[in-house]
Amino acid sequence: QVQLIESGGGVVQPGGSLRLSCAASGFIFNNNGMHWVRQAPGRGLEWVAVASHDGNYQYYLDSVKGRFIVSRDNSKNTLHLQMNSLRPEDTAVYYCAKDYCDGDCYYGFDYWGQGILVTVSS
Amino acid sequence: DIQMTQSPSSLSASVGDRVTITCRASQSISTYLNWYQQKPGKAPRLLIFGASSLQTGVPSRFSGSGSGTDFTLTISNLHPEDSATYYCQQGYNVPPITFGQGTRLDIK
Repeated sequence: QVQLIESGGGVVQPGGSLRLSCAASGFIFNNNGMHWVRQAPGRGLEWVAVASHDGNYQYYLDSVKGRFIVSRDNSKNTLHLQMNSLRPEDTAVYYCAKDYCDGDCYYGFDYWGQGILVTVSS
Repeated sequence: DIQMTQSPSSLSASVGDRVTITCRASQSISTYLNWYQQKPGKAPRLLIFGASSLQTGVPSRFSGSGSGTDFTLTISNLHPEDSATYYCQQGYNVPPITFGQGTRLDIK
């Protein structure tokens, strides 16, 4: 069965950095785009970034462009999110999610990780 | 960016009722519309993809319809476990992928 397991969350000061990872199993990892979606406490869902199935393309939410970097290692079935210059408004549960479209397309998410909390606070 | 607007923001219904949640896109998105269910402390779960296709394992009391800018999620014969927040999401004009603000459903 498909499993997505996030790691790397925690508490960081404003301006600091954190790297999230997502270990995937149960599907052919390099078939699908992989996303990060976040949810601030008590708020709705917000898409953050996607890495294309082959890792050649990355797309970002405007508010994280230039600060976050999404990458993937298809040899290790792992997705990463390097978060730099963190702000209090980046505080959220971050979910790793698999796109249900095969190839170079991004439609939606058929599997999600359990989520990991990132808290940006002094 | 395409804005997604859901209504109502919250509703309350009884076991056995039928409820409808609507989602409107700020421009036409064909049928690139998905619905998710999220329970407190849990990850979202895909219910409906492509506006009307039921995801594997989702009970048939959930159904979706619509195209263009107006979409609905209908839950028939409400069960107690349907208490959750429901989100619509567009996958037509990406990036960014955008979600509605959510509809909280309480079961009396």
